[in-house]
Amino acid sequence: GESVGLHLPTLSVQEGDNSIINCAYSNSASDYFIWYKQESGKGPQFIIDIRSNMDKRQGQRVTVLLNKTVKHLSLQIAATQPGDSAVYFCAEGGSSGGGADGLTFGKGTHLIIQP
Amino acid sequence: DSGVTQTPKHLITATGQRVTLRCSPRSGDLSVYWYQQSLDQGLQFLIQYYNGEERAKGNILERFSAQQFPDLHSELNLSSLELGDSALYFCASNPTGSTEAFFGQGTRLTVV
Repeated sequence: GESVGLHLPTLSVQEGDNSIINCAYSNSASDYFIWYKQESGKGPQFIIDIRSNMDKRQGQRVTVLLNKTVKHLSLQIAATQPGDSAVYFCAEGGSSGGGADGLTFGKGTHLIIQP
Repeated sequence: DSGVTQTPKHLITATGQRVTLRCSPRSGDLSVYWYQQSLDQGLQFLIQYYNGEERAKGNILERFSAQQFPDLHSELNLSSLELGDSALYFCASNPTGSTEAFFGQGTRLTVV
């Protein structure tokens, strides 16, 4: 969104192609991981989450892959549409146990859909 | 519409001043989280309240404080404001036990 600035990695894809956005996380104790989408001028919007005991989860047009060995998370968006243009953040949470903590967000990736 | 309401949407104030940001969580959600989003630090967790009690603290400065009221709305108080406090401040809420946090539209604070 408008609050993330010049240092964001950018991914530019053609409309209709698949997009893969990657994220490296730091805390191996995190219980779950989430992908958020932030459009300009709006708050982050939940896309999909995955628990640490899973390695893949699918939603509508999206798939999240978790590789705990290398602390890597990816978001695959199938058949990208103009409405997918946004900044995508990965976030990790639950490391303090009991669900009582805030999320730790990554820096974000700006996805641009080319017509 | 996420169901989380934040006011005001925009706020311009001078250095040294104090402001209060307000958040109403989604109906039924007991948890409220505050985040700061700035150009250089990205999205940073500040503090969480659950049913009126402070539950977790993140990178919140001592000049900042928050509270959650019996009706579950929350306020974030920012005092002795500095230019570097200019940022978007988001509130989020989630149902107990759910990982899905719903974010408000944010308050854009500009300190001049």
